[in-house]
Amino acid sequence: EDKVVQSPLSLVVHEGDTVTLNCSYEVTNFRSLLWYKQEKKAPTFLFMLTSSGIEKKSGRLSSILDKKELSSILNITATQTGDSAIYLCAVFGGKLQFGAGTQVVVTP
Amino acid sequence: KAGVTQTPRYLIKTRGQQVTLSCSPISGHRSVSWYQQTPGQGLQFLFEYFSETQRNKGNFPGRFSGRQFSNSRSEMNVSTLELGDSALYLCASNAGEQRGYGYTFGSGTRLTVV
Repeated sequence: EDKVVQSPLSLVVHEGDTVTLNCSYEVTNFRSLLWYKQEKKAPTFLFMLTSSGIEKKSGRLSSILDKKELSSILNITATQTGDSAIYLCAVFGGKLQFGAGTQVVVTP
Repeated sequence: KAGVTQTPRYLIKTRGQQVTLSCSPISGHRSVSWYQQTPGQGLQFLFEYFSETQRNKGNFPGRFSGRQFSNSRSEMNVSTLELGDSALYLCASNAGEQRGYGYTFGSGTRLTVV
């Protein structure tokens, strides 16, 4: 059975800290891994990764995929209170399957 | 351009009733997927429709069904509601490409079953 597992499930950090979120997967017909940010209701797209070892960056956020280890990490540097959200990892293998998410709380 | 529109935003139903949720995709998008989100469970895939045909289905009981119309709008129906069906129901549309890219989510329908 396909599965996507995220860790940790939640964490609390102080502004300015660096956060590393993990995602591991076992999905047949893997085609891509995606990260989303969910602040209120609608998840918003962050990154899509298809090739191992290539880092995607957008400002303070970056992500990398390890297809050998079937995993990905999402890094957030110099965190701000606006980074507080649920971060969702999803894997596409014909359909988009999500992990349970990581709740990140950034305190001032 | 207009985003993905879900109606209604909130719904309260009684156990045993049925409910229909609606999702209007971004103009030009032919694929609509539905997800159930409950605390600690992430988004659970319900089904996907593409050009009025169900293309993929998750592991939900037959009480959960859907359909898609010729204008790509989709509806999801849950019959014989149970307390455990209380959740945020999200839909996402995309152009239909099979790569994972380009999914845009609606704001969801919050269903409470009492």
